[in-house]
Amino acid sequence: DVKVTQSSRYLVKRTGEKVFLECVQDMDHENMFWYRQDPGLGLRLIYFSYDVKMKEKGDIPEGYSVSREKKERFSLILESASTNQTSMYLCASRQTGYTDTQYFGPGTRLTVL
Amino acid sequence: GEDVEQSLFLSVREGDSSVINCTYTDSSSTYLYWYKQEPGAGLQLLTYIFSNMDMKQDQRLTVLLNKKDKHLSLRIADTQTGDSAIYFCAESPLGAGGTSYGKLTFGQGTILTVHP
Repeated sequence: DVKVTQSSRYLVKRTGEKVFLECVQDMDHENMFWYRQDPGLGLRLIYFSYDVKMKEKGDIPEGYSVSREKKERFSLILESASTNQTSMYLCASRQTGYTDTQYFGPGTRLTVL
Repeated sequence: GEDVEQSLFLSVREGDSSVINCTYTDSSSTYLYWYKQEPGAGLQLLTYIFSNMDMKQDQRLTVLLNKKDKHLSLRIADTQTGDSAIYFCAESPLGAGGTSYGKLTFGQGTILTVHP
């Protein structure tokens, strides 16, 4: 079974803090993704990585950066957290092959005060 | 552009059928997907359909694809209270150069509520 884990289920931070969200997958997947989920907006892609040290901006990259130093780990960084970054953050990894199936972690609910 | 639209809410009685609808805009997607999100959890793949098919059945789930109208639906037969969740449809459009790296574009999600 594919397992995607995220470092925290719930996180509370203050405005201006630097925040790290970690994601680890155990299936040697090349592609990994970070989304944020907001009610009524669905999932929006922040960044994705198609290989180690490779990254591409998604639809809403502003205010975020990412790091992929090892294949199994993909980190999302909020350089200076703001209240409008309060959201659910979901990490996914992709099984390469014919269906592009993505496997999701349980999510991190981040609140920025 | 890429856009996937779903209605936000659906309420059904236990034992009835549920039909969740989705429209998409990008005809380059090879596969279209339905994901389910239970409260407090991440998304799990429910089913998918290849773009050259018009129907796929998997136990209580039936997926219908109308490629001409870019319309996708998910029917759940004999809906149970355990089916209460958010359902997302998603497409995998090809980007420039014909690659996508597996990026998905998701709809807003339909909250399905099943009443006893």
